[in-house]
Amino acid sequence: EVQLVESGGGLVQPGGSLRLSCAASGFTFSHFWMTWVRQAPGKGLEWVASIKEDGSEKFYVDSVKGRFTVSRDNTKNSLHLQMDSLRAEDTAVYYCARDRGENTFDVWGQGTMVTVSS
Amino acid sequence: QSVLTQPPSVSAAPGQEVTISCSGRSSNIVSNSVSWYQQLPGTAPKLLIYENDKRPAGISDRFSGSKFGTSATLGITLLQTWDEADYYCASWDNSLSASVFGGGTKLTVL
Repeated sequence: EVQLVESGGGLVQPGGSLRLSCAASGFTFSHFWMTWVRQAPGKGLEWVASIKEDGSEKFYVDSVKGRFTVSRDNTKNSLHLQMDSLRAEDTAVYYCARDRGENTFDVWGQGTMVTVSS
Repeated sequence: QSVLTQPPSVSAAPGQEVTISCSGRSSNIVSNSVSWYQQLPGTAPKLLIYENDKRPAGISDRFSGSKFGTSATLGITLLQTWDEADYYCASWDNSLSASVFGGGTKLTVL
């Protein structure tokens, strides 16, 4: 079964850091771009970052550039999002998704909640 | 303010048809494919339509997608109560070098 499982969410103070992980199974992880999408409480979906199959290309939404870093370990079928200098507006459910190309996110995890608050 | 513009809400009766629009510009919808997602309350989004008009395996043929110029449209026929959800369009934006989502449309089946 094709599956994505996120972990690492939690409560963090403003200015703090958090590292999210996404464990992939059931498909050849190294053959796909991977993406992080977030959803603030009661709000819509927001694309956060994407990373190429081999990690050589990365793209970020402007609001997280310089603060978030997307990475992957193809030997462990895992995707990561290092989040530094967190702000209240980063509070959201973070989903990892498989990108099959042409901006098509065909497999999604269940999401992990990140709350930035003092 | 989302780069892709969707109506905040639409509604229709069971058995009827509804369309949801997604308006963009030359740097996104005109140049790139559009995908559509359904999000039921409390769940992760689900891919409904990809590459403008293609349905993944397992998606009902009651769902259809189209694109013309700077706009894309999701159509849903024979509405069912369980179609009540939020629907989002998405595309790549060449100017932003980023994926962009529409603001989402809440479908109510009365």
